[in-house]
Amino acid sequence: EIVLTQSPGTLSLSPGEGATLSCRASQTVNSGYLAWHQQRPGQAPRLLIYGGSNRATGIPDRFSGSGSGTDFTLTISRLEPEDFAVYYCQHYGSTSLPRLTFGGGTKVEIK
Amino acid sequence: QVQLVESGGGVVQPGGSLRLSCAASGFTFSNYGMHWVRQAPGKGLEWVAVIWKDGSKKYYGDSVKGRFAISRDNSENTLYLQMSSLSAEDTALYFCVKDIWDRGNYYVDYWGRGTLVTVSS
Repeated sequence: EIVLTQSPGTLSLSPGEGATLSCRASQTVNSGYLAWHQQRPGQAPRLLIYGGSNRATGIPDRFSGSGSGTDFTLTISRLEPEDFAVYYCQHYGSTSLPRLTFGGGTKVEIK
Repeated sequence: QVQLVESGGGVVQPGGSLRLSCAASGFTFSNYGMHWVRQAPGKGLEWVAVIWKDGSKKYYGDSVKGRFAISRDNSENTLYLQMSSLSAEDTALYFCVKDIWDRGNYYVDYWGRGTLVTVSS
């Protein structure tokens, strides 16, 4: 079973700054099965990135995903006030057993 | 637009049962697998179960296996989660989540707002 480890646990940044969030898998994963979700306070999660690097519909281009193998990154180029939230990486198990595995999350908070 | 609306949450005593529902609209429900994902208060996301688009296959997380049952009614565009033998550890916000397979990418693309289940005496 794949384990996803996100770091750091918390990022304290100011609006306008850039953010780099890491997600490390316990074994090599296909980037087509790796996604990122954002959860704002009191809201449901929403899909940001799928396939490791593809922005979901309506997601601003300040969000980008990259990586391969065991190391994946979500980058936010310039933080807007609405970007302060918790971010989860997520792995889709397989087409024969599509269990979802989530990382523990990275909270991006206002410094 | 895609909408997923959960209902059926509430307060239940330990050992009790509850059935959650998720009404889907804005897409062809019978074409997609569906998941339940939960989030305990102040915690991260935990996958609960998945059901194939035609209901033919179902899989569960280890913490709910044997106690929860996922099902769907494609004629009513509704997803269900029957929960039994509930304990305090099942207290969480339960989300209904849509699955998608798209050109070699496999992920979940829409979440409902969730329904809160509280297990307490």
